[in-house]
Formats: sequence, C-alpha cells, structure tokens
Amino acid sequence: GEDVEQSLFLSVREGDSSVINCTYTDSSSTYLYWYKQEPGAGLQLLTYIFSNMDMKQDQRLTVLLNKKDKHLSLRIADTQTGDSAIYFCAETLHTYSGAGSYQLTFGKGTKLSVIP
Amino acid sequence: DTEVTQTPKHLVMGMTNKKSLKCEQHMGHRAMYWYKQKAKKPPELMFVYSYEKLSINESVPSRFSPECPNSSLLNLHLHALQPEDSALYLCASSQGTGNTGELFFGEGSRLTVL
Repeated sequence: GEDVEQSLFLSVREGDSSVINCTYTDSSSTYLYWYKQEPGAGLQLLTYIFSNMDMKQDQRLTVLLNKKDKHLSLRIADTQTGDSAIYFCAETLHTYSGAGSYQLTFGKGTKLSVIP
Repeated sequence: DTEVTQTPKHLVMGMTNKKSLKCEQHMGHRAMYWYKQKAKKPPELMFVYSYEKLSINESVPSRFSPECPNSSLLNLHLHALQPEDSALYLCASSQGTGNTGELFFGEGSRLTVL
C-alpha cells in the first residue's frame, strides 16, 4: 500500500535553512513532489523529483531523495517569513487509469513557522 | 493561462439545499480532479475525470455528484449534505501522459453546511 509520513511542525528563524523530511512506502513511485499551501489557499507545486534522481536544486530549494531508505527531504535556504505555510510531500505512480491521470498520495503536511 | 479557477470561493448551505461547485481550466488538460480537504489534514481524492469520463470514484457518497460537461469544465453537484461535509473542496487538473504528473490546483471552494 501507499503511505507518506511527515513530521507535523517545524519552526525556524528567518535567514536559517529549513529541512522538511518525508518517508514514503511505495518503491514503484515514479515522481515525488513537494507542494506548498498557504492559509486559505490551494496547493502550489514547489518542485518535484524523478525517482531515478538523487538530488535536484532549484534556486533556494534543494530536494534530496534516498531511494534505498524511501526518504525525501526539502531544504529551503535563507528561509523567509513568506515561506511560512504547510508543506505536503506527495508520491504518485506514473499513470493511474491509462488515460493520463495521476493519483497522488499526500503526507499529512508539515507546518513551517518562520520566526522574524 | 496556467490557472484553475473555482467558484464560488465560499458557500454556506443548509442540509436540504442543492448547490454546485464549478471549476474551469484552459490549459488543455484532459484530466480533472476533485479533492476534499478538512482542516489540518491533507487533501483526499474524491473523483477523477479522464477525457471527460469518470475514471475514479473513491467511494464518495451519492450526495456528491460530479459532472464534466466538456474538457475545460468540472462541476460538483451537492445535495442533502451533512455538517461533516464542511471542508475546502479543491479542483485540480493535469496534462496527461508523457509529463511529470504535476497537478495544478485551484484556490478551492470553502463549503459550510449548517
């Protein structure tokens, strides 16, 4: 079965790095994602990593994937108050129905609080 | 245009009312989704439409009735809801096979059932 685990809370000081961790169970997942949700808003895709990659960097964001341990992390460098939000890790198989739809399994979300 | 637009943003309804939530995208995506999100919880998949056909119904009660009139529109018809159905309802779309599987989410419709 599929299950995605995340710690629920993380608090950091402005300017520090934040590291949000996630573990997943489905080794056949093709893509792994990090979504950000600000209060009262929808989900915004921050970044994703393909399962055959170890690392992906995109400006202040670094994603590390340890496929052996099924561990995914998101590092945010120079964390700002605008980064305060809930961050969801998600995994998906390549195609669910064969018609181009994807079924995501989300973690419970990590609430990041940035202290000015 | 990379937006998924949902209306209304807020909806309050009684248990005997009939209402609808609407979702629209003009990105040419052929898969559209309804998710339900309770406070402090992750989104839960309700329905998936692929090429305007319902492909997944995650055992959702029949008081929720989805409809996909065309490739750009997705509706969720609501009837005889319960207070526990109060939640944020998120619509999403995706391009289909051959891409990264990114789902584009709308801002959601916040539903309160009295």
